[in-house]
Amino acid sequence: NAGVTQTPKFQVLKTGQSMTLQCAQDMNHNSMYWYRQDPGMGLRLIYYSASEGTTDKGEVPNGYNVSRLNKREFSLRLESAAPSQTSVYFCASSAQGKEKLFFGSGTQLSVL
Amino acid sequence: GEDVEQSLFLSVREGDSSVINCTYTDSSSTYLYWYKQEPGAGLQLLTYIFSNMDMKQDQRLTVLLNKKDKHLSLRIADTQTGDSAIYFCAESRAGGSYIPTFGRGTSLIVHP
Repeated sequence: NAGVTQTPKFQVLKTGQSMTLQCAQDMNHNSMYWYRQDPGMGLRLIYYSASEGTTDKGEVPNGYNVSRLNKREFSLRLESAAPSQTSVYFCASSAQGKEKLFFGSGTQLSVL
Repeated sequence: GEDVEQSLFLSVREGDSSVINCTYTDSSSTYLYWYKQEPGAGLQLLTYIFSNMDMKQDQRLTVLLNKKDKHLSLRIADTQTGDSAIYFCAESRAGGSYIPTFGRGTSLIVHP
């Protein structure tokens, strides 16, 4: 049982490059989330999707876009990467939004 | 100030009890959570408590909630080296669509 799968696990970008972080869950969950984790800052919500076909901004959405491709997949796109986006990115999902979140293992992104 | 606050570090001796503390600001918080993050991994839910409860016990874990003081604690009895991790406090409420807001995390170091 895979749970929440994120790809890639590691990525190095140059400033201005673009990339898409992929996330897929196999638990038939309605809600999906993207967080970033920075040292000493905890987790901050970038975007979330309460259900298929909807997306909403979180605390730190600037510089990011998301797509809820279907119920399983929720991708995060950096159109023009900046060094301030160096972080560990976590995707998560939950059944109805009130229960626990299931997290992927993260993507470590460095922007040079 | 931050919505959820935790101290950043805690060091304990193996076999002792660990107590990790958290304070939150919003009195309408409905669910309060403790997540654990091991090195290189995503977060995993350890336990959660409804705001109408004072205490919850699950094997070595005891959660205490003081709603008046908006204070949450996690006690780990007989702490083992495998308990070394980062522990995140989080809260969610209806006004926030039940999306958890996380604290910065407490790094628990267990030494022999």
